Amino acid sequence: SYELTQPPSVSVSPGQAARITCSGDALPKKYGYWYQQKSGQAPVLIIYEDNKRPSGIPERFSGSSSGTMATLTISGAQVEDEADYYCYSTDSSGNQFVFGTGTKFTVL
Amino acid sequence: EVQLVESGGGLVQPGGSLRLSCATSGFTFTNNWMTWVRQAPGRGLEWVANIKEDGSERYYVDSVKGRFTISRDNAKKALYLQMNSLRAEDTALYYCASPYCSGGGCSRIPGYWGQGTLVTVSS
Repeated sequence: SYELTQPPSVSVSPGQAARITCSGDALPKKYGYWYQQKSGQAPVLIIYEDNKRPSGIPERFSGSSSGTMATLTISGAQVEDEADYYCYSTDSSGNQFVFGTGTKFTVL
Repeated sequence: EVQLVESGGGLVQPGGSLRLSCATSGFTFTNNWMTWVRQAPGRGLEWVANIKEDGSERYYVDSVKGRFTISRDNAKKALYLQMNSLRAEDTALYYCASPYCSGGGCSRIPGYWGQGTLVTVSS
């Protein structure tokens, strides 16, 4: 079955930039999406179609994709950005969806 | 305002069955794909299944194929997940999700989520 691989954890100091990667074989042809999930809450979509931001999502969140890697960048991380982050995409058929393995993001 | 309210979770023995429901409001249910996602305690998100607007296409994660059935009632604006032959590894919080919609239309990507209903499979 198709898999999306993320680093288990990423940590930065407040105000620093952070990058969370997501690796998958179908990403060259399929969009990547990113969700933020804070403790005890439902996930929130923060990036869609590789690099678009839904309304209400702060500009410090941005996305990109190149080859088999999608990347979420948080510019100027804030304490309130601490959360688990998941990428999301489909396999080559476009019908089997999958979440990435998840990354615990800490702002120390 | 989009609202999704899941129900039907509970404690069930291995091999048992449960039917989850998701009541929806605040969007055009009949025009959108719908999705079930689950999260085992302390674990990551897992896409479970989705269903096309008219129910003509349904897709499942491999681990539930043949055991779970996703369905919908467009007249009631409700989504369902029939879960049979339940296993301990099906223990999770089950979320119902409706699509994210932008100016370009609505996708199959979860944009709005309920608060989930907890399914515990244990003897």
